Amino acid sequence: EDQVTQSPEALRLQEGESSSLNCSYTVSGLRGLFWYRQDPGKGPEFLFTLYSAGEEKEKERLKATLTKKESFLHITAPKPEDSATYLCAYCTYNTDKLIFGTGTRLQVFP
Amino acid sequence: DAGVIQSPRHEVTEMGQEVTLRCKPISGHDYLFWYRQTMMRGLELLIYFNNNVPIDDSGMPEDRFSAKMPNASFSTLKIQPSEPRDSAVYFCASSFKDSPVHPNQPQHFGDGTRLSIL
Repeated sequence: EDQVTQSPEALRLQEGESSSLNCSYTVSGLRGLFWYRQDPGKGPEFLFTLYSAGEEKEKERLKATLTKKESFLHITAPKPEDSATYLCAYCTYNTDKLIFGTGTRLQVFP
Repeated sequence: DAGVIQSPRHEVTEMGQEVTLRCKPISGHDYLFWYRQTMMRGLELLIYFNNNVPIDDSGMPEDRFSAKMPNASFSTLKIQPSEPRDSAVYFCASSFKDSPVHPNQPQHFGDGTRLSIL
């Protein structure tokens, strides 16, 4: 059965303390792996799409990578404004749906 | 450019009442999605439309839930009768191009309706 698991559930970082969020997936026919950011009281906001193992994408302090089994969202020197819940999601060639993980709640303290 | 607009932002009602949630997608988008988010189950797809036609409603939990899209700029999600376990945040999203999950065309989400059924 296709599934995606995010870890950790919650992460507290000091400002400037780099870390990584994990999205492990067991998916047949992966078409795309997505990362979204969700702020409290808001809808998810698209960050990245990764298509194949070895691919990397960057945006400011964020870098997303993809292997055959997992994706990482690396946060370099985070700032308090990076505090949010980060969601990964996937789609396959067998379904039209976007399936979301349960997210990692990130808090960055000054 | 206006994003996806949902109304109301908050809804509190008593069990048994009819609830109607509204969504205006981004102009020009071909696909519209309704999701439900809870602490226990995360973000779940309920139904999606392509060019105003419902394509997949397998995520709709029960017959008490129904969704319509009378035109390209408006959709509703209705719950009748409502129950306390329907309490959640409901999101609408839209996207365009050939496939609802085309990797190059991300879904754009509204800010949701927080629904509380007492």
